[in-house]
Amino acid sequence: SSELTQDPAVSVALGQTASITCQGDSLGTYSASWYQQKPGQAPILVIYHNNNRPSGIPDRFSGSSSGNTASLTITGAQAEDEADYYCNSRDTNNVIFGGGTKLAVL
Amino acid sequence: EVQLVESGGAVVQPGGSLRLSCAASGFTFTDYTLHWVRQAPGKGLEWVSLIGRDYFNTFSADSVKGRFTISRDNSKNSLYLQMNSLRPEDTALYYCVKEHSRGWPSFDYWGQGTLVTVSS
Repeated sequence: SSELTQDPAVSVALGQTASITCQGDSLGTYSASWYQQKPGQAPILVIYHNNNRPSGIPDRFSGSSSGNTASLTITGAQAEDEADYYCNSRDTNNVIFGGGTKLAVL
Repeated sequence: EVQLVESGGAVVQPGGSLRLSCAASGFTFTDYTLHWVRQAPGKGLEWVSLIGRDYFNTFSADSVKGRFTISRDNSKNSLYLQMNSLRPEDTALYYCVKEHSRGWPSFDYWGQGTLVTVSS
């Protein structure tokens, strides 16, 4: 089955821009979504269908996709954005998650 | 307000069975495909299974195929996961998840999870 690959860890200075990427063959066909998970909490959807932001998600979160790579960008990262971030997509009859990226805000 | 409340998690021996339940409210249950997603302690998210609005379309991850069965009762706004032949690697927090109105695999609401521990 398909896989989605994420960098295990990314760090960003407070107020700067963080970019988290997700690579996989299925992204050439299907869209990506992104989830934020803080310790002890359930994941929260922050981007769906590549570049759509659910209501209530700050506009510093944005998404994009090109070819086999999807990206989550946090413009002006805040301390509260420190969390694990997971991408997901699908292949024909399965849902696939990336391994997750731990974002540190320094 | 959308709510998904899982129950049924427990400590079970390898080879045992367990049935998880998810009570849903705050949305039109019959309009949405529902999923189970799990997370082993300290690990990432793993999709387990989905069931379509009409009961008939079900798909499962290879890791649970033939052992886990997803079902739903639209009259009770409830989702279920029957887990048989449990293995230690099935130990995880199991989330009940609702797909976004734009379709899967975007998941806009998650329960708080129910913990399954498979150990002798």
